[in-house]
Amino acid sequence: QSALTQPASVSGSPGQSITISCTGTSSDVGDYNYVSWYQQHPGKAPKLMIYEVSNRPSGISNRFSGSKSGNTASLTISGLQAEDEADYYCSSYTSSSTYVVFGGGTKLTVL
Amino acid sequence: QVTLKESGPALVKPTQTLTLTCTFSGFSLTTSGMRVSWIRQPPGKALEWLARIDWDDDKFYSTSLKTRLTISKDTSKNQVVLTMTNMDPVDTATYYCARTPRGYYYGMDVWGQGTTVTVSS
Repeated sequence: QSALTQPASVSGSPGQSITISCTGTSSDVGDYNYVSWYQQHPGKAPKLMIYEVSNRPSGISNRFSGSKSGNTASLTISGLQAEDEADYYCSSYTSSSTYVVFGGGTKLTVL
Repeated sequence: QVTLKESGPALVKPTQTLTLTCTFSGFSLTTSGMRVSWIRQPPGKALEWLARIDWDDDKFYSTSLKTRLTISKDTSKNQVVLTMTNMDPVDTATYYCARTPRGYYYGMDVWGQGTTVTVSS
């Protein structure tokens, strides 16, 4: 059981927007702005899409955005494209147990 | 160009010790704020953070695996080494190393391609 809770799957049509949630606790997401989001295509290494809740690394499309409210962080992908179809993982610093915790992952299907 | 590459045995027997090496280029682990982590992913499952070593040789471990893990660095070779003792079939996974540059705090911006480790007798 992962420390952060994500929906197992989400789907959307090309051009639409989708949001993936990531729910933690006051020991991680709620109290720290150290939430990251990763995209992983099958058989590939994860790719950093968002760090520190809402920052995009250089080269990441502005179609990807992050936010946080209370113990829940969110990744929004606007203008959905076929190549966005992948697994998405959130992670956060945590003051309890291990230093970094991941979510269970969300499979995004572009219809 | 920043790259990281994991290497190590593809197959280990239960109770053996696993040694993985992360060889990187394009950055230095002597640079203030630089960090390298190890993460693993069992087949079909989620990512799991294992350990991290910082530019100043600070080391951090997953609490659940702390007694089995050791992380170290060789800055002259641009390598980070992870050892995991008492391997078990549940440790079968793809093991990744990844970099966190200064200012990214806990975000890992470049990952290696991963190395698959199977634990079986």
